[in-house]
Amino acid sequence: IQMTQSPSTVSASVGDRVTITCRASQSISNWLAWYQQKPGKAPKLLIYTASTLESGVPSRFSGSGSGTDFTLTISSLQPDDSSTFYCQQYDSYPYTFGQGTKLEI
Amino acid sequence: EVQLVESGGHLVQPGGSLRLSCVASGFTFRIQWMSWVRQAPGKGLEWVANINDDGSEKHYMDSVEGRFTISRDNAKNSLFLEMSSLKAEDTAVYYCAQRESLFDHWGQGTLVTVSS
Repeated sequence: IQMTQSPSTVSASVGDRVTITCRASQSISNWLAWYQQKPGKAPKLLIYTASTLESGVPSRFSGSGSGTDFTLTISSLQPDDSSTFYCQQYDSYPYTFGQGTKLEI
Repeated sequence: EVQLVESGGHLVQPGGSLRLSCVASGFTFRIQWMSWVRQAPGKGLEWVANINDDGSEKHYMDSVEGRFTISRDNAKNSLFLEMSSLKAEDTAVYYCAQRESLFDHWGQGTLVTVSS
């Protein structure tokens, strides 16, 4: 299953609302996760089953979608949100990630 | 606190072999699926392989099937990745990750460089 994210890069300002999209090449129901990665660090799980927030993740992060189209929304951007975001499907093997979206604040 | 510590990555020639290790602590390792995920320099994430709690079920990405072997030693809370017939495109940071499909804890990664 191919995962395609858009845009590849997004620039925004502190306080802005940003939406990143992820499209699957076939239906994955809601078996989708979002990760945040900062340079030189391991990824961090943000959201799973498309819209469930991982414990400890700020509520300004939210996810939605099902089937083939999904979105990650960050409301009220903070400076610390500068990072790369990846979607991942875990509906079927081999598990696959999107190519990443770099968020520049 | 969950901790995953990888080791074993270094420079290896094309066609060579390498064994990566990951030592786990802070959770009951023997009942947990474990995975390897890699990231080529400047590139995105790739799921590589996973293994069930007792080692009886394993899955691999297509491009490493037959060349890589995932295994574990529950007595030593350790996960392994045996890599052979290494290619330049296997160059990456290899992360050990907790769970089968949803990776809520990751190690710091170990760098494998395949080059002559």
